[in-house]
Amino acid sequence: DIQMTQSPSSLSASVGDRVTITCRASQTASKYLNWYQQKPGKAPRLLIYAASTLQSGVPSRFSGSGSETDFTLTISSLQPEDFATYYCQQNNITPYTFGQGTKLEI
Amino acid sequence: QVQLQESGPGLVKPSETLSLTCTVSGDSVSSDTYYWTWVRQPPGKGLEWIGYIYDSGTTIYNPSLKSRVSLSIDTSTNQLFLKMTSVTATDTAVYYCLTEQRFRFDFWGPGIMVIVSS
Repeated sequence: DIQMTQSPSSLSASVGDRVTITCRASQTASKYLNWYQQKPGKAPRLLIYAASTLQSGVPSRFSGSGSETDFTLTISSLQPEDFATYYCQQNNITPYTFGQGTKLEI
Repeated sequence: QVQLQESGPGLVKPSETLSLTCTVSGDSVSSDTYYWTWVRQPPGKGLEWIGYIYDSGTTIYNPSLKSRVSLSIDTSTNQLFLKMTSVTATDTAVYYCLTEQRFRFDFWGPGIMVIVSS
């Protein structure tokens, strides 16, 4: 299985901050790396797919980059509604796997 | 836009079989647009891919669950089904049905909490 490791596991930030979350794969995920946002009691929401493509309806302050084994999610200017848990996920090889999550807190 | 809704018992006894239904609207489960997927999340923990079904019957499972999981489709009711046998407390989780399209999980149901306990 491809192991996905996110860092940090938790992050304290303020409204307006620029935040970066990293995700490392134990073997290549090629370009098939997705990012999801999850709020308490809700299903995850797709933010970024194919490493850098913004899902329709997602604000442009979210961006993704990377390839193969190293990826980043950047939020350019944090908004109050961005405080949530973020997961990376590889769709390159089954079993598809997720990172352990990064909890973004005020 | 596809909408999905999970249903089933919220409490299952250890060693019994967990059976969940996902009712799909907005598209047909026989559509070749999507891989119909299940993911679970234990309380306070991360996400685990269970597997998917497509082409009205072809299945791919997570090897860690393959011996206990079965996915199926009923095209007449536009529903998906998950069965997991011999459950234990470690199977306590929120179970989500969702769609995979072009290498991403785009539409998710709200999830259903299933507790395994006697």
